[in-house]
Amino acid sequence: NAGVMQNPRHLVRRRGQEARLRCSPMKGHSHVYWYRQLPEEGLKFMVYLQKENIIDESGMPKERFSAEFPKEGPSILRIQQVVRGDSAAYFCASSLQVTGELFFGEGSRLTVL
Amino acid sequence: KQEVTQIPAALSVPEGENLVLNCSFTDSAIYNLQWFRQDPGKGLTSLLLIQSSQREQTSGRLNASLDKSSGRSTLYIAASQPGDSATYLCALIMEGGKLIFGQGTELSVKP
Repeated sequence: NAGVMQNPRHLVRRRGQEARLRCSPMKGHSHVYWYRQLPEEGLKFMVYLQKENIIDESGMPKERFSAEFPKEGPSILRIQQVVRGDSAAYFCASSLQVTGELFFGEGSRLTVL
Repeated sequence: KQEVTQIPAALSVPEGENLVLNCSFTDSAIYNLQWFRQDPGKGLTSLLLIQSSQREQTSGRLNASLDKSSGRSTLYIAASQPGDSATYLCALIMEGGKLIFGQGTELSVKP
């Protein structure tokens, strides 16, 4: 049973470009979460999704950031018009049940030049 | 607002020592608590999950305890090894499955 798969592992973008990060949850998991780890800071919750639904996006910046988890395919975190402050590691996690054990992917490390 | 504090921030021990990592939180209204390790440049590896109704969980050389009333959890590592060197993160699982993380304890085990 493959774990949580994230790609790309590393992504470099210039200011103003778009970044798309993908996450495939563990098989059978329907709860997907995105977290961000800024340099020298802890992990912070961004968004919680179930298939085709955003359940909680209270940690997402109001502008430029969006997330989806379509019926088919991976969850996608999209950052439009990236700025240097978006440089961070973005982690995806999935769980079988709400409030159950969470499993994390290896993360996608975004560098904005 | 829930706050999670991990003490110490960093710890260096010789191989073979038993050690305790501490995690405290301000609001006891949690669902579960999960301990992770994170190696440099890597993702998070789940170590132990303690449900709110439980007092402790054990896996190999690891033992985690939870005291909701006092807002504390500890992770005990027995007979530490250099391979245990990593950052250890405590996370509270809140309503809706959202995790609130501590800042972590950076552990170094010297051979």
